[in-house]
Amino acid sequence: GDSVTQMEGPVTLSEEAFLTINCTYTATGYPSLFWYVQYPGEGLQLLLKATKADDKGSNKGFEATYRKETTSFHLEKGSVQVSDSAVYFCALSHRNTPLVFGKGTRLSVIA
Amino acid sequence: NAGVTQTPKFRVLKTGQSMTLLCAQDMNHEYMYWYRQDPGMGLRLIHYSVGEGTTAKGEVPDGYNVSRLKKQNFLLGLESAAPSQTSVYFCASSYGTEREQFFGPGTRLTVL
Repeated sequence: GDSVTQMEGPVTLSEEAFLTINCTYTATGYPSLFWYVQYPGEGLQLLLKATKADDKGSNKGFEATYRKETTSFHLEKGSVQVSDSAVYFCALSHRNTPLVFGKGTRLSVIA
Repeated sequence: NAGVTQTPKFRVLKTGQSMTLLCAQDMNHEYMYWYRQDPGMGLRLIHYSVGEGTTAKGEVPDGYNVSRLKKQNFLLGLESAAPSQTSVYFCASSYGTEREQFFGPGTRLTVL
């Protein structure tokens, strides 16, 4: 079945550092790929998505590119802020199939 | 526009007790989902619904039942709670499986 593997955390960075959170997937066909973010005490919210190969999703300074050849969708941000501290989830879905989530990566940004 | 709301926010049960968690959405979404979130396990899908009157099993359905009598509501029931069901439960809704899911704030359930 479909699965998502993302790097284990926690990840601790200083403010203004470069962020990469790795995400790879196993799936048949061409799923849609997502990054969700969960701030402390809240539910998840969509950060960005990509629906086909080579698409780049972007939002709030975060970017991820759908790489079919490496089955990856790594999340990047050039300069993190303390307010980016959260848990980040990579996920995939096919048409008519519910989202499959990775286990999440906790990011802590220190001033 | 309240989005997705969940009731209650916190609950403590004793083993063997029953309870129902209520999820409501005001976005006219067809799809609704119940997840549980446990440390180190990410989110796991319990049950979902693709429309009023329909339900389907997810990854971890055992010990739970659901009902979708109205399009805007999705109920999650625990008939006989067990300590293994201690978790944070999230409800979500969407227009479709490849569309953005909107999540509620969660219900923290402790079973003693």
